[in-house]
Amino acid sequence: EIVLTQSPATLSLSPGERATLSCRASQSVSTYLAWFQHKPGQAPRLLIYDASNRATGIPARFSGSGSETDFTLTISSLEPEDFAVYYCQQRSNWPSSFGQGTKLEIK
Amino acid sequence: EVQLVESGGGLVQPGGSLRLSCAASGFTFSSYSMNWVRQAPGKGLEWVSYISSTSSTIYYADSVRGRFTISRDNAKNSLFLQMNRLRDEDTAVYFCASAVTSGYWGQGTLVTVSS
Repeated sequence: EIVLTQSPATLSLSPGERATLSCRASQSVSTYLAWFQHKPGQAPRLLIYDASNRATGIPARFSGSGSETDFTLTISSLEPEDFAVYYCQQRSNWPSSFGQGTKLEIK
Repeated sequence: EVQLVESGGGLVQPGGSLRLSCAASGFTFSSYSMNWVRQAPGKGLEWVSYISSTSSTIYYADSVRGRFTISRDNAKNSLFLQMNRLRDEDTAVYFCASAVTSGYWGQGTLVTVSS
């Protein structure tokens, strides 16, 4: 089973700042990695699929990069609505797996 | 408008059973593989099960294999999760979700396993 480790666990930033979130896989997942944003009481929202492809309707301030075992989600300039929990998910090998999440909170 | 609406959650005793349903609309359900994902209280997302568009391929997480059964009815645009021998640790909000790259998710249904 592939284990995804996200860092940091919590990231405290202010609106307008740049956010960099990391996801590291225990073995190569090629580029079969997605990023989700999740707010309490809501459905998770797909941001990025296949490492670097923005999903439909996702603002350009969200970008993804990486391959094999190291991946990054970057939010170029934080908006108030961006504060949430972010998860990475791999679909390279079954069982699929999620990282433990990074909580992005307002500083 | 794409919609995935889960139902069937509730309170059940340990060892009991529940059947979750997910009604899909607004997209060609029969063309998409589907997943169940859950979130226990205060925890992160956990992938539970996958079914291909034709039901020919099915996968389960180790934590539910042998107790849960995923199925679908493409004629009725519906996805199901039969959950047997439920345990306290199965308590969670259960989401149905389409193939990862399409990003369709329901709002979830709460399953509480408690005596």
